[in-house]
Amino acid sequence: GAVVSQHPSWVICKSGTSVKIECRSLDFQATTMFWYRQFPKQSLMLMATSNEGSKATYEQGVEKDKFLINHASLTLSTLTVTSAHPEDSSFYICSARETGNYEQYFGPGTRLTVT
Amino acid sequence: SQELEQSPQSLIVQEGKNLTINCTSSKTLYGLYWYKQKYGEGLIFLMMLQKGGEEKSHEKITAKLDEKKQQSSLHITASQPSHAGIYLCGADDGYALNFGKGTSLLVTP
Repeated sequence: GAVVSQHPSWVICKSGTSVKIECRSLDFQATTMFWYRQFPKQSLMLMATSNEGSKATYEQGVEKDKFLINHASLTLSTLTVTSAHPEDSSFYICSARETGNYEQYFGPGTRLTVT
Repeated sequence: SQELEQSPQSLIVQEGKNLTINCTSSKTLYGLYWYKQKYGEGLIFLMMLQKGGEEKSHEKITAKLDEKKQQSSLHITASQPSHAGIYLCGADDGYALNFGKGTSLLVTP
């Protein structure tokens, strides 16, 4: 089946620094990738949709200058949390939709802790 | 936007018992996904339903989508400790998946 990887799986950073999270589709091409955030004991909330070669579409309430998304190739999307603060600590999950396919495949998630 | 209501929020069942989790949508469902998640880990795809009245089974888990395509149920037969986790239903609005708040399942010996 289709596999999506995320790197790193967990990261601890200091307040004010930036952190980059990678999402890769390993055995398929993904025109569209999605970034979700999950707070403890809550559901996944869609943050943004990333389309290869174009600007990401952000959901209402998500700061585009804080959560920079780049989808430079058909197999890689990155999420950069800029000037991270403790309230940004969360579990970030990406998913990828194979080009021409309806289904989404989820990555294993990245746990971000900002101290 | 499409809202998904899951019930119950949490469930504790004794090993061997059957259980059902429900997912109700505020709008017609065009694609309903069931996932399992262990806290702090990724999502495990269980099943996808698209047609009204559709029913799918995998091992001891059965999912159904009602004829009106606004409600889905996930049924586990003879539950085992390995079934423990968070079950999420997700609706495809043709753009991205919107998720319910999840049902936390604990299976006791």
